[in-house]
Amino acid sequence: EIVMTQSPATLSVSPGERATLSCRASQSVSSNLAWYQQKPGQAPRLLIYGASTRATGTPARFSGSGSGTEFTLTISSLQSEDFAVYYCQQYNNWPPWTFGQGTKVEIK
Amino acid sequence: QVQLVQSGAEVKKPGSSVKVSCKASGDTFSSHTFSWVRQAPGQGLEWMGRIIPIFATANYAQKFLGRVTITADESTTTVYMEVSSLRSEDTAVYFCARDVGGYSYEWGQGTLVTVSS
Repeated sequence: EIVMTQSPATLSVSPGERATLSCRASQSVSSNLAWYQQKPGQAPRLLIYGASTRATGTPARFSGSGSGTEFTLTISSLQSEDFAVYYCQQYNNWPPWTFGQGTKVEIK
Repeated sequence: QVQLVQSGAEVKKPGSSVKVSCKASGDTFSSHTFSWVRQAPGQGLEWMGRIIPIFATANYAQKFLGRVTITADESTTTVYMEVSSLRSEDTAVYFCARDVGGYSYEWGQGTLVTVSS
C-alpha cells in the first residue's frame, strides 16, 4: 500500500498571501495524484487531478505540480473561502487508493 | 454530471450491521465507478472500496475485506455499502463518490454512522 505524507499538518497564512502544500508518496504514483478541499461538515471537493489539471469550477489561483513522489498544491493568493483542510490522494497503485492525512490551512 | 444523495444518519449497536444507500441521478449510471470513503471524527479520509454497476463486481481495500459489502441496483440507480460486525471504531461519516479514472469527481453529502452500546 502506498503511503501519502502531507506537510505541514497546519499552515497559518494571512489572506492574500501564498500557500504551498506538499504531498509525498512512498513510491512513484506517476501523475495520478488528486487534491481535494474539505470544509467543516461538508464532503470533500475535487480541486486538481492528474497532478496539475484543475477540475471544473476550480479557481485559477489553485495550481498543482509534481510527478513521481513529490507534489505541491499552491494557492497563489488566499481568499477567505480557501481556509479548509486539503487532502492529496494517489490513484496509481490499487487497491487501495490512499489519501494523505491532510493539511489544515488556517487564518494567521 | 451526477448528483449523489445518501441515506440518513444511523445509530447502531456493536456487533450489528448497517447499510447505507447512495442514489445517483443525472447521468448514465451503470458505466460509472462508485467508491465509498469514510472519515472518523476529526480524522482523515479512508478509501474503502468501489463498484462498477455494469460489472456488478466490487473491489475492496484489504482492511475491509470480509466485513464490507458494496452492491448496486441498476433499476433504482442506487449504490449500497453494508458494514457488518460493527465496532466503535466504525463510527464515522461514510461518503459515496463517483470516480473518474480513480479520483472522485462528485460526492454524496455523507452519512453519519454512530456505533454505541
